Amino acid sequence: GAVVSQHPSWVICKSGTSVKIECRSLDFQATTMFWYRQFPKQSLMLMATSNEGSKATYEQGVEKDKFLINHASLTLSTLTVTSAHPEDSSFYICSAREGGVSWNEQFFGPGTRLTVL
Amino acid sequence: AQSVAQPEDQVNVAEGNPLTVKCTYSVSGNPYLFWYVQYPNRGLQFLLKYITGDNLVKGSYGFEAEFNKSQTSFHLKKPSALVSDSALYFCAVRDQAGTALIFGKGTTLSVSS
Repeated sequence: GAVVSQHPSWVICKSGTSVKIECRSLDFQATTMFWYRQFPKQSLMLMATSNEGSKATYEQGVEKDKFLINHASLTLSTLTVTSAHPEDSSFYICSAREGGVSWNEQFFGPGTRLTVL
Repeated sequence: AQSVAQPEDQVNVAEGNPLTVKCTYSVSGNPYLFWYVQYPNRGLQFLLKYITGDNLVKGSYGFEAEFNKSQTSFHLKKPSALVSDSALYFCAVRDQAGTALIFGKGTTLSVSS
């Protein structure tokens, strides 16, 4: 299957700093990318959907000014957690879907573990 | 609104026995249904999907799932469980509008030797 990478795989930062997480589709063009957040032993919560070249669509309750998403190319999306606080500590997972076909499966990155001290 | 329910937090099965992980869904229109597996500190791996056609879908690693429209279910099955199947399993649904996948809460499968 298609490969999606995330970088970094884990990051520790101080409260108040910003952290950028990259998501890349390595062998396909991802028209749409998704960002999820997962708390320990819980399901994935969709944060936002981004289409290449467009502004991201955020789910209700997700602060768009805090979680900045950029999808500038068909192979790269970034999530920037601005002014991070300990409650932002979580496992962030991106996924990508090729083309605009709604029944295409999403391919998931390995996740990024963010710890804010 | 779309939703997915996985009624069991954990399923325990002995190696070699058949396993079933349950999933029910709610969606307007025809559903697109998916199963993913997650190993500790890893992303999700795609197992199988139902779009249309045969109700029995075969996927990776010997898994299969049966779509039942009348019961709005999409249970994951495997005839003979392996210890290496132990992981967290997610059922997901998407409607025809093509929005992102909506996930169930997950079911932890534990296969004992």
